[in-house]
Amino acid sequence: DAGVIQSPRHEVTEMGQEVTLRCKPISGHNSLFWYRQTMMRGLELLIYFNNNVPIDDSGMPEDRFSAKMPNASFSTLKIQPSEPRDSAVYFCASSLSRVDEKLFFGSGTQLSVL
Amino acid sequence: DQQVKQNSPSLSVQEGRISILNCDYTNSMFDYFLWYKKYPAEGPTFLISISSIKDKNEDGRFTVFLNKSAKHLSLHIVPSQPGDSAVYFCAASDGFQKLVFGTGTRLLVSP
Repeated sequence: DAGVIQSPRHEVTEMGQEVTLRCKPISGHNSLFWYRQTMMRGLELLIYFNNNVPIDDSGMPEDRFSAKMPNASFSTLKIQPSEPRDSAVYFCASSLSRVDEKLFFGSGTQLSVL
Repeated sequence: DQQVKQNSPSLSVQEGRISILNCDYTNSMFDYFLWYKKYPAEGPTFLISISSIKDKNEDGRFTVFLNKSAKHLSLHIVPSQPGDSAVYFCAASDGFQKLVFGTGTRLLVSP
């Protein structure tokens, strides 16, 4: 299996622009997570889905952030409008089931908002 | 409010010696703990875990110790190797699959 695939690897954009990050989880995994890594806060959970349904989005910073999972093999995290403080590495992860805490992470998207 | 804390941002160890990475947590509902390792430009990968019903779990050179009364866990790497140089994240779960991660400790193992 190719593992969790994220795109793009790097994104540089200007403040106010819309940013869309994409994720393809491991086939057969039922749970998908979006994390953000910063120096100050480490890895923060933004939102997670189980069987394509959002279960907990309490970590989403504000209304500028939204996430969707239209099917079992694809998810997006959108920031609109983007701000410089959104600059971070965004990781997508998946796991086999809701009771499996072992997560498999993608390589991340390095987002820079100028 | 940081529920999982890794107070040492970095650690340097010589090859062959023991590396000890520490992690503290505040939420008494956490009952499952994991360590992840992260190399530059890659995502974190699972390393080792421990359930709250145990106080030690060993996997090769890696051992995790859990002290529930102190809300503290540690990862021991013996012997340390240069390839172990990475950022190590401690994570905790309350059973609802919402992993809470620490800020990470950067380990450097020098030859």
